[in-house]
Amino acid sequence: DAGVTQSPTHLIKTRGQQVTLRCSPKSGHDTVSWYQQALGQGPQFIFQYYEEEERQRGNFPDRFSGHQFPNYSSELNVNALLLGDSALYLCASSLYRRELYGYTFGSGTRLTVV
Amino acid sequence: RKEVEQDPGPFNVPEGATVAFNCTYSNSASQSFFWYRQDCRKEPKLLMSVYSSGNEDGRFTAQLNRASQYISLLIRDSKLSDSATYLCVVTNNAGNMLTFGGGTRLMVKP
Repeated sequence: DAGVTQSPTHLIKTRGQQVTLRCSPKSGHDTVSWYQQALGQGPQFIFQYYEEEERQRGNFPDRFSGHQFPNYSSELNVNALLLGDSALYLCASSLYRRELYGYTFGSGTRLTVV
Repeated sequence: RKEVEQDPGPFNVPEGATVAFNCTYSNSASQSFFWYRQDCRKEPKLLMSVYSSGNEDGRFTAQLNRASQYISLLIRDSKLSDSATYLCVVTNNAGNMLTFGGGTRLMVKP
């Protein structure tokens, strides 16, 4: 039973560039949430996707956008990268409206902006 | 004020010690409560859910006080392998968004 898969594991980008991160949810899960974790802090909610639509959004600017595909996989896009976007980006999958049964986190993509 | 607040530590304790972590949250409409564990440079993993009646899982005991908006975690007989960051987590009223505290770092030493 595959867990949550994220790619790439590490990435270095330059200020102003754009980046796309990818996530495949755990088998049987239909909902994907994205979190940003800066060094020394707890993860912060970016947004959640279900049925290819953004269902909930945290306090992040429009430079952060996402997409969910029919196979439930998801992408996180960040435009016009800033140094402050350097962080671990975590994907978590769950069953919609049954999130209390548990989230499964991927091991994350570590993004460094230089 | 942060929505979920924790003492960042670090808590340095000897093996076998009992250690307690506390957490407060600001949103009284929060639906559910959890403790997650995060090892260095790894993803968070669910340690246990937290209920008002209090719940225990082996050496770990969690407690929720909704009136005071306060959550606690007690670890008895600490092991070296308990060294990690412990994250206090609450959900929104819809239960579909996790809000994490900043984490409390625990270091258990021989």
